[in-house]
Amino acid sequence: GENVGLHLPTLSVQEGDNSIINCAYSNSASDYFIWYKQESGKGPQFIIDIRSNMDKRQGQRVTVLLNKTVKHLSLQIAATQPGDSAVYFCAESWGANNLFFGTGTRLTVIP
Amino acid sequence: NAGVTQTPKFRILKIGQSMTLQCTQDMNHNYMYWYRQDPGMGLKLIYYSVGAGITDKGEVPNGYNVSRSTTEDFPLRLELAAPSQTSVYFCASSYDGVGQPQHFGDGTRLSIL
Repeated sequence: GENVGLHLPTLSVQEGDNSIINCAYSNSASDYFIWYKQESGKGPQFIIDIRSNMDKRQGQRVTVLLNKTVKHLSLQIAATQPGDSAVYFCAESWGANNLFFGTGTRLTVIP
Repeated sequence: NAGVTQTPKFRILKIGQSMTLQCTQDMNHNYMYWYRQDPGMGLKLIYYSVGAGITDKGEVPNGYNVSRSTTEDFPLRLELAAPSQTSVYFCASSYDGVGQPQHFGDGTRLSIL
C-alpha cells in the first residue's frame, strides 16, 4: 500500500496553545482521510474525517485541513489540554475496503 | 453499547503454539478488520471481512487465518506462533467499508517467546 507519512514524530506544546499535526500522503487517488487519537493501552479513537471534495472540516476544538495540490493533511487542536496528550495517526483510503495508516505523531501537552 | 470487544487483553505464547484472538461487535456493522501494530509503528491490515461468510487478505496475512460465521464475531487464528508475531492486535468494524470511520477495540497484546 501507499505510505502515509508524518513530518514530525513528536510534538510538545504548552497547555492552552494550539497544536498542529501534519501528515503527507503519497497516493493522489486517495479520497477519504481520517485522524485517530490513540492513548496508551487503548485502541485508536476516531477524531475527525474529511473527503477529497472538501478542503476543511471542523469539529469540536479540532479542524482538519486537506491540501490536495501538495498531498498534505493537517490536524489542528485548539486550546490544547493535558487530555489531548496521545499519539495521533492519519489514515487514507482510495475506494478500497481498508485504511492505510501512518506511523503516528506523539503529542505531549506541558501543563 | 460495548462497541468492539477483544479478548484476551494479554497473552504469552510459546513458539509453535496456537491460539485464537476473539473479537465481537454489537453495532451491527457489516465490515470487520484485524490489524497489528508493532512498537512505534502504525497499523497494518491482516485480514478483513465485508460480511458474514466473506473474508479477504490484507497487507500482512501470512501466519494468520480468520472466519466470519456471524455478523458480530470475527476471530483471528494463529496456527504456529512465531516471534515475529509478537505485536498488539486490534480489531475494528465499520458499517460500510468505503468512506466510513472504523471503530476499534482496545487490543490484545501478544508476546511469543
